[in-house]
Amino acid sequence: NAGVMQNPRHLVRRRGQEARLRCSPMKGHSHVYWYRQLPEEGLKFMVYLQKENIIDESGMPKERFSAEFPKEGPSILRIQQVVRGDSAAYFCASSPHGGQGPTYEQYFGPGTRLTVT
Amino acid sequence: AQKVTQAQTEISVVEKEDVTLDCVYETRDTTYYLFWYKQPPSGELVFLIRRNSFDEQNEISGRYSWNFQKSTSSFNFTITASQVVDSAVYFCALSEWGTGGFKTIFGAGTRLFVKA
Repeated sequence: NAGVMQNPRHLVRRRGQEARLRCSPMKGHSHVYWYRQLPEEGLKFMVYLQKENIIDESGMPKERFSAEFPKEGPSILRIQQVVRGDSAAYFCASSPHGGQGPTYEQYFGPGTRLTVT
Repeated sequence: AQKVTQAQTEISVVEKEDVTLDCVYETRDTTYYLFWYKQPPSGELVFLIRRNSFDEQNEISGRYSWNFQKSTSSFNFTITASQVVDSAVYFCALSEWGTGGFKTIFGAGTRLFVKA
């Protein structure tokens, strides 16, 4: 049973370019979460999605950032016109459900390290 | 509002010493989950334990043990007889019900150095 997959693992972009980060949840998981980890800091929640729905995007910057989780295919975190401050590790997590339940936990992917030059 | 405080930024111990990583949380919910994750130098996040708010039993897994005390809102993590491979950043996290589902807040992490 493959874990959460993220690609690319490392991404280098020049200022002003677009960054697309992909996350494939674990098989059977329909809930995806994105987190950002700035250097030397903890993880900060960005957005929570279910298939074709954004449930909670309270942690997403208002501009340049967007996320989707289509019916088919991976979840995508898109950053337009990247700036140096976007350099961070972006982690995706998935869970089998978002509600209360005895098996709730989030399984994390290996992360994508974005470097903006 | 949720909050997770890991007051120890860095801890350095010598191999075989015991070490305790502190975690204090704030929540207004009665139903919540607490987690510990390990982030080794390679960068991935490794799940260590989940505890729900109704289960205050302490847990031991090999050299790892966790002490959950609701009265002090703490969920401390102890490594017994530490090893060099335990060197990592350890994150405590709190999940409580938010918009549409559980939202997880992470502490800032404690960096543990275990010297041979």
